[in-house]
Amino acid sequence: EAQVTQNPRYLITVTGKKLTVTCSQNMNHEYMSWYRQDPGLGLRQIYYSMNVEVTDKGDVPEGYKVSRKEKRNFPLILESPSPNQTSLYFCASSPYSGNTIYFGEGSWLTVV
Amino acid sequence: QKEVEQDPGPLSVPEGAIVSLNCTYSNSAFQYFMWYRQYSRKGPELLMYTYSSGNKEDGRFTAQVDKSSKYISLFIRDSQPSDSATYLCAMSAGTGGFKTIFGAGTRLFVKA
Repeated sequence: EAQVTQNPRYLITVTGKKLTVTCSQNMNHEYMSWYRQDPGLGLRQIYYSMNVEVTDKGDVPEGYKVSRKEKRNFPLILESPSPNQTSLYFCASSPYSGNTIYFGEGSWLTVV
Repeated sequence: QKEVEQDPGPLSVPEGAIVSLNCTYSNSAFQYFMWYRQYSRKGPELLMYTYSSGNKEDGRFTAQVDKSSKYISLFIRDSQPSDSATYLCAMSAGTGGFKTIFGAGTRLFVKA
């Protein structure tokens, strides 16, 4: 089954404690991205990657890091989480030549 | 001004009603127009995909694009409680999911 898998789905953490949200896709897509979704603000792109070792900032990259060492994986790293990073996070992938974006199930992150 | 404007609702309608969801945009370069449906606690999924102006129909769903007015619509006929979800419009100037801009999403409730 074609899918984007992200973990953990739910996480409560404390301010300053580094965390990583993993993301993996099995569709051999070149493009992967991370979004955060907040009430009234919709989906905002954090970082995206066009292919292995190629990443770029989206609209709200502050406080986040990413890496793309393998085509299928695109982890999101919060080096020092803060309460304003409490949000619903989505990993997504898309073939380079298409417009359809495939989203993961989402990761609910709470920073206290 | 946001590139894509979408009324967040919520919109509440009785079962069987015709639903109209709309987005306006400012970038005349947009050529690809999508509607994603997002159920509670799930990732968005592509519902409709349209290139340039015109209508596209798929079962009870019709997508309309009016590029001259920079206005897109999604119509749902004979709405069902299972249509209750958040609907996000999305658009892009070219192929490649990384260029997609999302609206904030409209929350729809269909009452039985």
